[in-house]
Amino acid sequence: DGGITQSPKYLFRKEGQNVTLSCEQNLNHDAMYWYRQDPGQGLRLIYYSQIVNDFQKGDIAEGYSVSREKKESFPLTVTSAQKNPTAFYLCASSGGTGTTGELFFGEGSRLTVL
Amino acid sequence: SQQGEEDPQALSIQEGENATMNCSYKTSINNLQWYRQNSGRGLVHLILIRSNEREKHSGRLRVTLDTSKKSSSLLITASRAADTASYFCATDSGAGSYQLTFGKGTKLSVIP
Repeated sequence: DGGITQSPKYLFRKEGQNVTLSCEQNLNHDAMYWYRQDPGQGLRLIYYSQIVNDFQKGDIAEGYSVSREKKESFPLTVTSAQKNPTAFYLCASSGGTGTTGELFFGEGSRLTVL
Repeated sequence: SQQGEEDPQALSIQEGENATMNCSYKTSINNLQWYRQNSGRGLVHLILIRSNEREKHSGRLRVTLDTSKKSSSLLITASRAADTASYFCATDSGAGSYQLTFGKGTKLSVIP
């Protein structure tokens, strides 16, 4: 089935450690996104990528890094510079270039800092 | 930056009743979308309405858009327990923008 796969679903991190969240899509979509969701809050955009080897900062990019080496993959690294990383992270994709249409979301990764 | 704001924050209704959620936004938009999120899951797209449309239907869903008031409403008719979820509006404010702005959501509880 076509869709977006995020892994791991749950992740625990000690302070000072970097962690990488995986996002893979087989929808043949050009654009991919990473959002952060805190309890009772909406989604905030971390990074997005319109095309392979290109990505742009969103509203809250500090302390995060991404890469887009393949169309199917858009991993997010939460670095030790992110002061409050405990959150629910959502990856999404959309088809077509130059337009904002429907977003397709993965099931999310919940990161907890111990 | 928070663009859309949903109202109410939480809504509890009996099964079979209609549920209405509202979304207000601040700047002009190209389109507005509604998403649903079950607890602990990803978001699922429900419906997209463009700035030149006033009303759109999809099954038991009816969305209206009033650009003069910068507001939209989502009506779910004949609600079911399975409709229990959080509902978010998202606005696209730029020409070809990839930056949808999400509201904080309305948490709907449908009591069997």
